[in-house]
Amino acid sequence: AQSVTQPDIHITVSEGASLELRCNYSYGATPYLFWYVQSPGQGLQLLLKYFSGDTLVQGIKGFEAEFKRSQSSFNLRKPSVHWSDAAEYFCAVGPSNSGYALNFGKGTSLLVTP
Amino acid sequence: DARVTQTPRHKVTEMGQEVTMRCQPILGHNTVFWYRQTMMQGLELLAYFRNRAPLDDSGMPKDRFSAEMPDATLATLKIQPSEPRDSAVYFCASGASWGLDEQFFGPGTRLTVL
Repeated sequence: AQSVTQPDIHITVSEGASLELRCNYSYGATPYLFWYVQSPGQGLQLLLKYFSGDTLVQGIKGFEAEFKRSQSSFNLRKPSVHWSDAAEYFCAVGPSNSGYALNFGKGTSLLVTP
Repeated sequence: DARVTQTPRHKVTEMGQEVTMRCQPILGHNTVFWYRQTMMQGLELLAYFRNRAPLDDSGMPKDRFSAEMPDATLATLKIQPSEPRDSAVYFCASGASWGLDEQFFGPGTRLTVL
């Protein structure tokens, strides 16, 4: 069955430091992979997606992610974190067993300290 | 600026009452998803529609939940009767084309059942 694991429930980084959020997936075929961000009280917003091709994907707000098939991972990175990046981050994989829907991870909460 | 709208944003009700949540997808999007978010379970897919037809509602408790799309501009999620365990944030999302592309999330309806 498809599943997504985000091993880190909470992560704290200093402003200006680099960031890496981990995502591991279990999927029988080539997955479609997504990272979404959720600010407090808001819905989810797409940061980036991977369907095929170049395994290093660029997204909005300076984020990037790398698809590593051998490690079943799709980690999200940012070279320098800003205070406004504090949010909940979700990794997702699809398609699900039911077709078009996605399976979301439990999320990683990012705290940015001054 | 096209966006998914949801009403109401907040709802407090008593156990046993009927709750109806509404969603207006982005004009032209033909895939609509309903998700529920709780601290314990994270983001769960309840149901989704394509071209107004339900494709999957296996995530929904059938005895009390129902989802419909009366027309292309309106999706509804109804709970009758509501229970305290239904307290959660309910998100609607819409997508274009085949639905595995970006899902655009609404701001959510925060439901509290007393």
